[in-house]
Amino acid sequence: DGGITQSPKYLFRKEGQNVTLSCEQNLNHDAMYWYRQDPGQGLRLIYYSQIVNDFQKGDIAEGYSVSREKKESFPLTVTSAQKNPTAFYLCASSIPGANYGYTFGSGTRLTVV
Amino acid sequence: DQQVKQNSPSLSVQEGRISILNCDYTNSMFDYFLWYKKYPAEGPTFLISISSIKDKNEDGRFTVFLNKSAKHLSLHIVPSQPGDSAVYFCAGSGSARQLTFGSGTQLTVLP
Repeated sequence: DGGITQSPKYLFRKEGQNVTLSCEQNLNHDAMYWYRQDPGQGLRLIYYSQIVNDFQKGDIAEGYSVSREKKESFPLTVTSAQKNPTAFYLCASSIPGANYGYTFGSGTRLTVV
Repeated sequence: DQQVKQNSPSLSVQEGRISILNCDYTNSMFDYFLWYKKYPAEGPTFLISISSIKDKNEDGRFTVFLNKSAKHLSLHIVPSQPGDSAVYFCAGSGSARQLTFGSGTQLTVLP
């Protein structure tokens, strides 16, 4: 069964620590995305990658970093520089240029304690 | 600069009645629009889409209407069911096929 797996589902982090959220897909999609959802703010784009070894900043990239060493994987690191990291994080993938939209993972809820 | 706006954060509808969710956009380069449905603690799932060359697309209980001159689209759900209670996001897509999402509307269908 093809899909996107995000892990863990819930994550707690102490202030000042970096944490990495995992996103793996077996859909053979070239493009991958990271979004953040906050109440009343919808989905905001953090980073995206159209192809392996290349990625671009989205609208709210400050305090985050990513890598795209493999087509299947697009991990997101929330650094200590992110001032308000508590949120629900969503990973998505797509075929660039297709009208199919995105396939989303089930999300990771990050809470800073 | 919000390119896609959903001005109603919430909507309550009686079971069996019609739900109408609205979305406005400002980017004239969008040529494809999509609606996603999201349950709490889950990722959004694709619901229905429409190309900018059409003004209506229907799929079962779900119909999306596009008014290009007004830069407005709407999602109609008839009849509404309690299982339809979720957050609905509309999104616009341009030539790069990247999606720009609205802020979402929480639909509650009352039994």
